[in-house]
Amino acid sequence: AQRVTQPEKLLSVFKGAPVELKCNYSYSGSPELFWYVQYSRQRLQLLLRHISRESIKGFTADLNKGETSFHLKKPFAQEEDSAMYYCALTGGYGNKLVFGAGTILRVKS
Amino acid sequence: EPEVTQTPSHQVTQMGQEVILRCVPISNHLYFYWYRQILGQKVEFLVSFYNNEISEKSEIFDDQFSVERPDGSNFTLKIRSTKLEDSAMYFCASRPGTFTYPDTQYFGPGTRLTVL
Repeated sequence: AQRVTQPEKLLSVFKGAPVELKCNYSYSGSPELFWYVQYSRQRLQLLLRHISRESIKGFTADLNKGETSFHLKKPFAQEEDSAMYYCALTGGYGNKLVFGAGTILRVKS
Repeated sequence: EPEVTQTPSHQVTQMGQEVILRCVPISNHLYFYWYRQILGQKVEFLVSFYNNEISEKSEIFDDQFSVERPDGSNFTLKIRSTKLEDSAMYFCASRPGTFTYPDTQYFGPGTRLTVL
């Protein structure tokens, strides 16, 4: 079964603090992992995907196949990072995305 | 930058009525998707569409649902007889379908469907 687990519904940090949004997955094959972000009143947009190994807006995520995790990290949070973050995976025909429940990141000044 | 658009932004309907949700994917994209998000729950896959046919559908996508690409630009989701539990945000997405695997899905802003 394909499943994505984001254990935290809400993560509240102060500006300048490090951020780690947790994501664990269950998939029998080799999935592709993504982080999508949804800012207030905006659409879902891709933040990054593991295959690209890139850093977007200071965020990085490393796929750990042993721990089946794909945690999202940023060393210094900014207020504009406040948003809903979804971890998702895809694999197989049709490339549907399977989403986690999402984590609200709130960065306080 | 091209975007996926969806209309209407909010649809209110009575239980048992038919609704059609409309999406205009990004032109030259080849794969199209519908997802939904019931309030407080996760985003769930409904159906994927490629080459004018359904390529995959979820258990949610029963006989009450259908999709169509009537004119080469619009991509519609029809719910024949709405139920209260169909109330949700419905997202359309499209992706290029290039040889890069997996290329990115781009999402529309969503249509909020309220069934009374």
